[in-house]
Amino acid sequence: DQQVKQNSPSLSVQEGRISILNCDYTNSMFDYFLWYKKYPAEGPTFLISISSIKDKNEDGRFTVFLNKSAKHLSLHIVPSQPGDSAVYFCAASASNYGQNFVFGPGTRLSVLP
Amino acid sequence: ETGVTQTPRHLVMGMTNKKSLKCEQHLGHNAMYWYKQSAKKPLELMFVYSLEERVENNSVPSRFSPECPNSSHLFLHLHTLQPEDSALYLCASSQDWGKQGGGYTFGSGTRLTVV
Repeated sequence: DQQVKQNSPSLSVQEGRISILNCDYTNSMFDYFLWYKKYPAEGPTFLISISSIKDKNEDGRFTVFLNKSAKHLSLHIVPSQPGDSAVYFCAASASNYGQNFVFGPGTRLSVLP
Repeated sequence: ETGVTQTPRHLVMGMTNKKSLKCEQHLGHNAMYWYKQSAKKPLELMFVYSLEERVENNSVPSRFSPECPNSSHLFLHLHTLQPEDSALYLCASSQDWGKQGGGYTFGSGTRLTVV
């Protein structure tokens, strides 16, 4: 059973609009979350993180929101750009489990010009 | 070179072959990881090395054998693989294992096809 779920395998958004990528988790021990971005033929690259002591973290066009009670986090990209087209992975870890992150299956984002 | 480098980028091997995947990091990190990404599945952690010692082995079949000769290099030795082992194998490193904060730096991966 997957502990980290990304229920949308793909998402298409118009350039300039907001992209919202969702992630749900089942393990209440998870307290640190990351988003990675992956282009074809490249390894994933770290995008943004959030600790469970926060409910929002912002870095430029990227904002991650965490709803602990719902065990849900989302990544907002505003405004979306064609270069944002990639696969986005959500990952979670528990403080008693070090850096052994559990990854979601990914969401493929396509930003249309 | 900087970052995490994996070689080869692509590998096709027969089920009776023996091959090795190589990973090298020039970041001064103390922890290195092997992950497997199969089609339409999440990344699966295979092995973790911290300060050159194996600290995690996630029930990986013995036909996969890791080796960490020093803190900068990590190998994955492969022998008698099965077609279902075909996947993207990703190496990653992090500053330390066992501490949250930051994340991994991944290599570009080796696309392995077992025929």
